Amino acid sequence: GQNIDQPTEMTATEGAIVQINCTYQTSGFNGLFWYQQHAGEAPTFLSYNVLDGLEEKGRFSSFLSRSKGYSYLLLKELQMKDSASYLCADFSGAGSYQLTFGKGTKLSVIP
Amino acid sequence: DSGVTQTPKHLITATGQRVTLRCSPRSGDLSVYWYQQSLDQGLQFLIQYYNGEERAKGNILERFSAQQFPDLHSELNLSSLELGDSALYFCASSPQLEDTQYFGPGTRLTVL
Repeated sequence: GQNIDQPTEMTATEGAIVQINCTYQTSGFNGLFWYQQHAGEAPTFLSYNVLDGLEEKGRFSSFLSRSKGYSYLLLKELQMKDSASYLCADFSGAGSYQLTFGKGTKLSVIP
Repeated sequence: DSGVTQTPKHLITATGQRVTLRCSPRSGDLSVYWYQQSLDQGLQFLIQYYNGEERAKGNILERFSAQQFPDLHSELNLSSLELGDSALYFCASSPQLEDTQYFGPGTRLTVL
């Protein structure tokens, strides 16, 4: 569950669609979480994927490919309030289910 | 509001001192997790408790300790504080080990 990789920063335009990618090591994998974190605030839960495929929740969708160790978060109809860091975390570790977080992708939404 | 509470919200102290951070999990949650977030490191898992017992340790220094009490609240004790311990400390809770973790608002610790 180590070596979570995601881009450091992204910029997108209000109203557009943005895809934030995340890769992880597949050994001991139990699931993949996405959290949103505004600066200085608590991470808030967005999605959890354990099976391959796309999960849609309103403007946000998350995709997982277990065989490829790959996930993405898709944000549609971007709003200024979506400017935040998006944290990818894998759920691994025998018996403890601890989260290992990537360093986060800072998304800036511009008018 | 996740339902997880943490106190205090801010803490300013001096090097060498000891502090205690407190966390109350969401009602019904048995598992509590502590994380440290510094500017250059991202969220780092420190320690996990389940129903009063320690379940997993991450990158927790020997100067740090934690416990979960019978009422399921948890405390993180940081001693012999150093400048580098300045960070946001988050507590999270979940009903069971394999469930989604919900984070508290955090305690911002500043060591001067």
